Amino acid sequence: GIQVEQSPPDLILQEGANSTLRCNFSDSVNNLQWFHQNPWGQLINLFYIPSGTKQNGRLSATTVATERYSLLYISSSQTTDSGVYFCAVNFGNEKLTFGTGTRLTIIP
Amino acid sequence: EAGVAQSPRYKIIEKRQSVAFWCNPISGHATLYWYQQILGQGPKLLIQFQNNGVVDDSQLPKDRFSAERLKGVDSTLKIQPAKLEDSAVYLCASSSSGPNIQYFGAGTRLSVL
Repeated sequence: GIQVEQSPPDLILQEGANSTLRCNFSDSVNNLQWFHQNPWGQLINLFYIPSGTKQNGRLSATTVATERYSLLYISSSQTTDSGVYFCAVNFGNEKLTFGTGTRLTIIP
Repeated sequence: EAGVAQSPRYKIIEKRQSVAFWCNPISGHATLYWYQQILGQGPKLLIQFQNNGVVDDSQLPKDRFSAERLKGVDSTLKIQPAKLEDSAVYLCASSSSGPNIQYFGAGTRLSVL
C-alpha cells in the first residue's frame, strides 16, 4: 500500500510565526486531503488538493503530484492552530491512508 | 448543513464487556467509514460502506468487531468482547459521490479497563 510520511513530527512556534509542513507519499494518488485534529480530537478538513495550489485565509497548500509531495503553509500562527496536522491520500477506490502527523504547538 | 453525528462522545467499560457506537452521516452521503485512531497514530480504516453494502472490511477484527448500516443511512459499530488494546478513538466519516472528500464526526473515545 501507499506509504505516507510527514515532517517534522513536532513543531513548537511562537504566536505570529510562519510554518511549513511536508507530506511525502510513495505512489501516485488522485486524492490528497489535509486535516487539522484539534485538541478535542475533531478532524477538520482543511484542503482537498490532489494537485496544484489552494489558499484559505492564513493557510495555503501546494501538491506536486509528479514529485509525490504536498506542503501546508500556515502564516501568522495563532494558538488555535495548535493540534495535529494529518495528510491523507488514496488512488482510485483504495482506502484513504493517513500520514504520521505533525504535532504543532503555538506558544502565546 | 449538519455534519457527521456520533454518539456517545466517551465510553468507559471493563474488558470482556460489549459496547456500541452510533453514527449518522451527512445527509445524502452514500459512503460511510469507521476508523480507529490509537493515541499518537493516524486513523486506520476499519470498514467502508457504500449505501448499505460493505466495500472494504479487510482491517476489521471480525472475531470481535461488527458493523451494520441499515437502510443506507446511519450505522452502528459494535465490539464484543472488548480488549484492553481496543482503547482508542472511533471516528465515523462520510463522503458523497465524486471526489473522495471525507468529512469526520467528533469521534467516540473508548477506554477499556
